[in-house]
Amino acid sequence: KAGVTQTPRYLIKTRGQQVTLSCSPISGHRSVSWYQQTPGQGLQFLFEYFSETQRNKGNFPGRFSGRQFSNSRSEMNVSTLELGDSALYLCASSREFTMNTEAFFGQGTRLTVV
Amino acid sequence: AQSVTQLDSQVPVFEEAPVELRCNYSSSVSVYLFWYVQYPNQGLQLLLKYLSGSTLVKGINGFEAEFNKSQTSFHLRKPSVHISDTAEYFCAVSESGNTDKLIFGTGTRLQVFP
Repeated sequence: KAGVTQTPRYLIKTRGQQVTLSCSPISGHRSVSWYQQTPGQGLQFLFEYFSETQRNKGNFPGRFSGRQFSNSRSEMNVSTLELGDSALYLCASSREFTMNTEAFFGQGTRLTVV
Repeated sequence: AQSVTQLDSQVPVFEEAPVELRCNYSSSVSVYLFWYVQYPNQGLQLLLKYLSGSTLVKGINGFEAEFNKSQTSFHLRKPSVHISDTAEYFCAVSESGNTDKLIFGTGTRLQVFP
C-alpha cells in the first residue's frame, strides 16, 4: 500500500514568490494535516482538512493557506515568501478525524527561500 | 494551552545500554500521547501512543513508554539500544476533543555509539 506522497521533495524559491506544495494521502484516508518543521521552532501545526473542510488551524499568518480536493489530495500555498519560511513541510494523513487511527507522515518537502 | 517539554536535546549512549528519553506535558484536559521517530531526511514514524487503558504502552522496535498522570510525564524507554536507533525522537500530545492537532516537543537526538 502506497504511503503519503509529498511533491516536490525539494524546492528553492526567491523571497516574495509564492509556492504550492502537494500531498497525496494514503488511499482511503480523508484527513490531511500539515506541519512546518524548523530548527528553531520545531514541529508546528499548520492546518488540518477533513472531507474538503478545514477543521483546525494553527497560529500562522494568512500567507499560509491550504485546500483539499474531493479525492482527499491536499495542497498548501505560501504567498509572499520570506526567508523564515525555509523549512521542512510535512503532511500527515489519517483515516478519520480521530486519534484512534494512526497519522502517517510523508517524507516532507524541503523549502529553501533565498 | 497544551505544551510538551523534552528536556534533553541530545542523549548519547553506547550500544546495548538502556535509554530513557523524557517527556513532560501540560494540559487542562484529557490528552492522548505519542512518540514519533524521525530518521535523517525522512518523515515521522509512530513508535507508540497512549489513548487510554494500561499506562504502560509497548511500541515498535522494542520501545515502551509509561503514562504517569500525576507527574504529567510520558517517558520513552528501551532496555538495549542499537546503532540503528540513532535518530530524532519527538513526543507529542493531542487533546481528546481536538484530536487531529498534534503539539510536538522540540525533539531529542538519540546518538548510539558502538
